[in-house]
Amino acid sequence: DAGVTQSPTHLIKTRGQHVTLRCSPISGHKSVSWYQQVLGQGPQFIFQYYEKEERGRGNFPDRFSARQFPNYSSELNVNALLLGDSALYLCASSSPEPRGYEQYFGPGTRLTVT
Amino acid sequence: QKEVEQNSGPLSVPEGAIASLNCTYSDRGSQSFFWYRQYSGKSPELIMSIYSNGDKEDGRFTAQLNKASQYVSLLIRDSQPSDSATYLCAVLFSGGYNKLIFGAGTRLAVHP
Repeated sequence: DAGVTQSPTHLIKTRGQHVTLRCSPISGHKSVSWYQQVLGQGPQFIFQYYEKEERGRGNFPDRFSARQFPNYSSELNVNALLLGDSALYLCASSSPEPRGYEQYFGPGTRLTVT
Repeated sequence: QKEVEQNSGPLSVPEGAIASLNCTYSDRGSQSFFWYRQYSGKSPELIMSIYSNGDKEDGRFTAQLNKASQYVSLLIRDSQPSDSATYLCAVLFSGGYNKLIFGAGTRLAVHP
């Protein structure tokens, strides 16, 4: 089975621009979570979506938004990009089944803001 | 106090030795714990999950959990150079949604 997929792989943007990152979960998984990982740190939680509804939000500004589609894919939007938004953006999917707490990460999108 | 703490390392062990990685967490309500391996430039890969006190073994990996001490560890037996990576400890947020709280990771270097 295919794992979590993310696009694009790499992205270079300029300060003030906006960006959309995309994620497709593992087939059968209904939950998608987004994380930001800056160099030298562990991933930081941004959002969780389940059945198209936001279930949780981390400590990120309103410039960050997300949504989930009927096929459970998701997109993360970041507006008014800052240099500090440069990071690896990770999408993780999990199933609501008994092992549903296990989250599986996609390859990530490396965002560079110049 | 950080929510999840790990020694940053690097932890250097010879090939064939046991590598011991440790993690402490602050939320006594946490019930689910995970270890991820992350190679340089790659995304985290889930290698172990543990939910009950005690040991859980999977191949060369053993996870240990002590909720009373708020302590999780990962032992890697017969360490190989291919085990050289950063190991991330993650704790599932107890507040009702799928938020993982990560430590900063321990860098492991296995030398031949």
